[in-house]
Amino acid sequence: ILNVEQSPQSLHVQEGDSTNFTCSFPSSNFYALHWYRWETAKSPEALFVMTLNGDEKKKGRISATLNTKEGYSYLYIKGSQPEDSATYLCAPWWYSTLTFGKGTMLLVSP
Amino acid sequence: NAGVTQTPKFQVLKTGQSMTLQCAQDMNHEYMSWYRQDPGMGLRLIHYSVGAGITDQGEVPNGYNVSRSTTEDFPLRLLSAAPSQTSVYFCASTTGTGGKEQFFGPGTRLTVL
Repeated sequence: ILNVEQSPQSLHVQEGDSTNFTCSFPSSNFYALHWYRWETAKSPEALFVMTLNGDEKKKGRISATLNTKEGYSYLYIKGSQPEDSATYLCAPWWYSTLTFGKGTMLLVSP
Repeated sequence: NAGVTQTPKFQVLKTGQSMTLQCAQDMNHEYMSWYRQDPGMGLRLIHYSVGAGITDQGEVPNGYNVSRSTTEDFPLRLLSAAPSQTSVYFCASTTGTGGKEQFFGPGTRLTVL
């Protein structure tokens, strides 16, 4: 079983704060790293799929970086809004499947 | 496109009953997977398939069976339901070899009494 660690487990910030989360994964046999956003009572939705070491992707106020040699990825949210409240999941692609971390639960208060 | 569809949305079973959770996708995706979501455990892989006729076990396969007779459908069978199988079940599909996003169905909430 692939060990995928996400930190922190949960985070409570005020509207306008910037925040970041970490995803750690084994660096051997790396192929791709996925980030998903999961709102309560909904299904996970893809944010980014990253494959190259040093890759940086951005979607609006959310961005992510990838270090495949040391096995970690950061997700950044700039100027958090209440609608950013969700659980953020990372998952490396490994042997034809995604293995998900337990996620970081973000709550943004107005 | 309907994307990934799952039926039923909710189900209550008694211990020992069997049932099939249905999953279908209309995107011609080769890869399909079943996950269960439990509090504090995240999403855990039950079974997956890399194409019609090919299935394999994930992290928590015990008590579940799958088959993949067509590209579109990937049903999950509970052989003899147990209270430990109370969970929310998600089906997902993707194309390619990990470099493309995975699409999730809306989920099935199962309660086993």
